Amino acid sequence: DVKVTQSSRYLVKRTGEKVFLECVQDMDHENMFWYRQDPGLGLRLIYFSYDVKMKEKGDIPEGYSVSREKKERFSLILESASTNQTSMYLCASSIAGQGPYNEQFFGPGTRLTVL
Amino acid sequence: AQSVTQPDIHITVSEGASLELRCNYSYGATPYLFWYVQSPGQGLQLLLKYFSGDTLVQGIKGFEAEFKRSQSSFNLRKPSVHWSDAAEYFCAVAQSYNQGGKLIFGQGTELSVKP
Repeated sequence: DVKVTQSSRYLVKRTGEKVFLECVQDMDHENMFWYRQDPGLGLRLIYFSYDVKMKEKGDIPEGYSVSREKKERFSLILESASTNQTSMYLCASSIAGQGPYNEQFFGPGTRLTVL
Repeated sequence: AQSVTQPDIHITVSEGASLELRCNYSYGATPYLFWYVQSPGQGLQLLLKYFSGDTLVQGIKGFEAEFKRSQSSFNLRKPSVHWSDAAEYFCAVAQSYNQGGKLIFGQGTELSVKP
């Protein structure tokens, strides 16, 4: 079974802090994704990566950056946390390919609160 | 642009009653369609997927979905709901020729189950 783990389930940070959210997958997947989830808005894609050191902006990249130095690890960085970044953050991974291969496997999520 | 619409934000059904969650997509070519479930405080789990063949797809936990190209719909059904089905449900679509494996998610439908 694919396992996607996220470094923290709950995180509380202060405004202006630099925040790192870590995601690790153990199935050698090429693609990795970061979403944020807010009530009524569903899942919105922040960034994704289809290979090591490769990244592309999703729908809401502002205020975030990412790092993928190793295939299994994809980090989301909030350079200077703000209260409007309080949210649930979900990491996902999938194998390379089209159509049915686009099934994504999700981690349990990190609920981030910025005070 | 591709999009997915889940018209119902919140649905309440009685335990033992049947369930249908609606999903409409907007995409010109053959879509690849997914339904995910998110239990409270958890990540997303795949229920079922459609990419070709029989338009009635069986999934886990007794769920099924029917692809109707003429209606651009992929509705999720269950004949008899259990209290443990209370969760949020997301419909998603992948492009036929999809670089990077991106999915487009609907806004989600929250299901409550009455005893």
